[in-house]
Amino acid sequence: GENVEQHPSTLSVQEGDSAVIKCTYSDSASNYFPWYKQELGKRPQLIIDIRSNVGEKKDQRIAVTLNKTAKHFSLHITETQPEDSAVYFCAAASGTYKYIFGTGTRLKVLA
Amino acid sequence: EAQVTQNPRYLITVTGKKLTVTCSQNMNHEYMSWYRQDPGLGLRQIYYSMNVEVTDKGDVPEGYKVSRKEKRNFPLILESPSPNQTSLYFCASSFLGDTEAFFGQGTRLTVV
Repeated sequence: GENVEQHPSTLSVQEGDSAVIKCTYSDSASNYFPWYKQELGKRPQLIIDIRSNVGEKKDQRIAVTLNKTAKHFSLHITETQPEDSAVYFCAAASGTYKYIFGTGTRLKVLA
Repeated sequence: EAQVTQNPRYLITVTGKKLTVTCSQNMNHEYMSWYRQDPGLGLRQIYYSMNVEVTDKGDVPEGYKVSRKEKRNFPLILESPSPNQTSLYFCASSFLGDTEAFFGQGTRLTVV
């Protein structure tokens, strides 16, 4: 069935460095690719999203890139800060079917 | 305030005792879904609903039931809970199936 693979499962970076999380989706009908951040004990919240007709989107220190041909999309966080430490989930949705999440990446930003 | 509200937040129950977790949204969203979150497995979709009276299975529907009689409510029913349903459950709603999902606060369920 349709799935979303997410790597790595854990990522440790020094404060100020960049972090990259990658996802691969299987359903070619997917047209919406959001990223959610879940802080400890909290609910997931959207941080950035991209649609299939766009290759890249940026919001301050956060950017997302999409390669439709390869069915890959990635989250890039630059100048990481301790408050970026959280679990990050990618997802893929087609609008007419399941809204599928990746397995999550635990990001630790070391001060 | 726009929100998704699920209750209860915490629940400990015994094997076989039917329970319902409620979920309500006040944003007039069409799409609602239930997820369970387990360590290392991410958020797995249990059931989803694209509109009133329209529901469908997600990836892990076994042992669960849902209903969507009203647009705002989407309860999750465990007819005969088992210990392997011990998990953190999230309800989510979105305007459509391919837009931002808004999550409830989560329900931590323990089945003993």
